[in-house]
Amino acid sequence: SQQGEEDPQALSIQEGENATMNCSYKTSINNLQWYRQNSGRGLVHLILIRSNEREKHSGRLRVTLDTSKKSSSLLITASRAADTASYFCATDGNQFYFGTGTSLTVIP
Amino acid sequence: EPEVTQTPSHQVTQMGQEVILRCVPISNHLYFYWYRQILGQKVEFLVSFYNNEISEKSEIFDDQFSVERPDGSNFTLKIRSTKLEDSAMYFCASRAGTGGADTQYFGPGTRLTVL
Repeated sequence: SQQGEEDPQALSIQEGENATMNCSYKTSINNLQWYRQNSGRGLVHLILIRSNEREKHSGRLRVTLDTSKKSSSLLITASRAADTASYFCATDGNQFYFGTGTSLTVIP
Repeated sequence: EPEVTQTPSHQVTQMGQEVILRCVPISNHLYFYWYRQILGQKVEFLVSFYNNEISEKSEIFDDQFSVERPDGSNFTLKIRSTKLEDSAMYFCASRAGTGGADTQYFGPGTRLTVL
């Protein structure tokens, strides 16, 4: 399976700080995607990065992809309390296999 | 902006009963999915559906489960003879599947509680 595994499992930061979370996967991919899940809610698509891209930005989000290391990182800059959620990566394919995610807590 | 919708938002049922969870994928999307998330655990893939048939399913998706696209808009998950351990959030997702658009868009989920 093309399961993504995120680390750290939990991250707690102060509002205004940057948050970095990582994802590793096992097989070659065409793209990798990051999702956010607020507690008890659905998954919200954040950003997609293709295998021929190394970095992508969307607002306060910055995603990098290193296909040689089979890893990706998600950076959230100038974090806000509303960013508190779990973050998951998912690789392309007909089905997504999610890891346990990174639980981010932003303290006001 | 188009979105995936799911009904009901919360379903309570007695053990042994059958439930049908409903989803309306994004119009003109071709691929449909069901996922499950037991409280406190990871989101697990159940099944994918394309061209009116199951394209892939996980080992979780046994004979207790079935999916159907009864008309041009709805996509349903039927769970027969529910068990306590079926209590979970069930998410529907859809994907355009054209031109390499691989983003899956998820619905808000249905919380199933089996008593």
